[in-house]
Amino acid sequence: DAKTTQPPSMDCAEGRAANLPCNHSTISGNEYVYWYRQIHSQGPQYIIHGLKNNETNEMASLIITEDRKSSTLILPHATLRDTAVYYCIVNYGQNFVFGPGTRLSVLP
Amino acid sequence: DTGVSQDPRHKITKRGQNVTFRCDPISEHNRLYWYRQTLGQGPEFLTYFQNEAQLEKSRLLSDRFSAERPKGSFSTLEIQRTEQGDSAMYLCASSSFGTWKKETQYFGPGTRLLVL
Repeated sequence: DAKTTQPPSMDCAEGRAANLPCNHSTISGNEYVYWYRQIHSQGPQYIIHGLKNNETNEMASLIITEDRKSSTLILPHATLRDTAVYYCIVNYGQNFVFGPGTRLSVLP
Repeated sequence: DTGVSQDPRHKITKRGQNVTFRCDPISEHNRLYWYRQTLGQGPEFLTYFQNEAQLEKSRLLSDRFSAERPKGSFSTLEIQRTEQGDSAMYLCASSSFGTWKKETQYFGPGTRLLVL
């Protein structure tokens, strides 16, 4: 079973920030938090990962709470092309266990 | 293109036939994973290799499934005597596994299998 829980779906207006939450209350101290997304009929695309510090790259920002039991992926200016299923995964050098993810719909 | 590639991208076969899929990982990645994804679900782990050694197999990988990575580079996944329930997207991913076990997996585009 996946070690994370995510809302099944979210909407976001184009140009606004999309904030996708993830709960991982049983995360262990050495497990990383990864985010991937999957656009229809394509393979999952890596977005970002982190251990305990907040991270930012050209795609997104990852905010991890101090107790590491939850995190938020932030897409700062969502576009229509960001419509996808977003997966949050915790992992320490093992096969990924995907949950059902959050289906993000960016609306014009 | 230096990403993970998979061939073929689509495969239609009749029940009972054998099929083989190929995955070419990112160059020098030592780990290679196979996942299966059915409609509306997240990917499910099947098996993975570290170099040429197959280190783990999921209980989803029945006796009809076999995977190889003979030289630690490309991998093949064969399904014998296909069944309609095998219809799915088969995804390959590769990673560079290191000391800190920080392991970003990069996925290929997948092979979509339809068994009639």
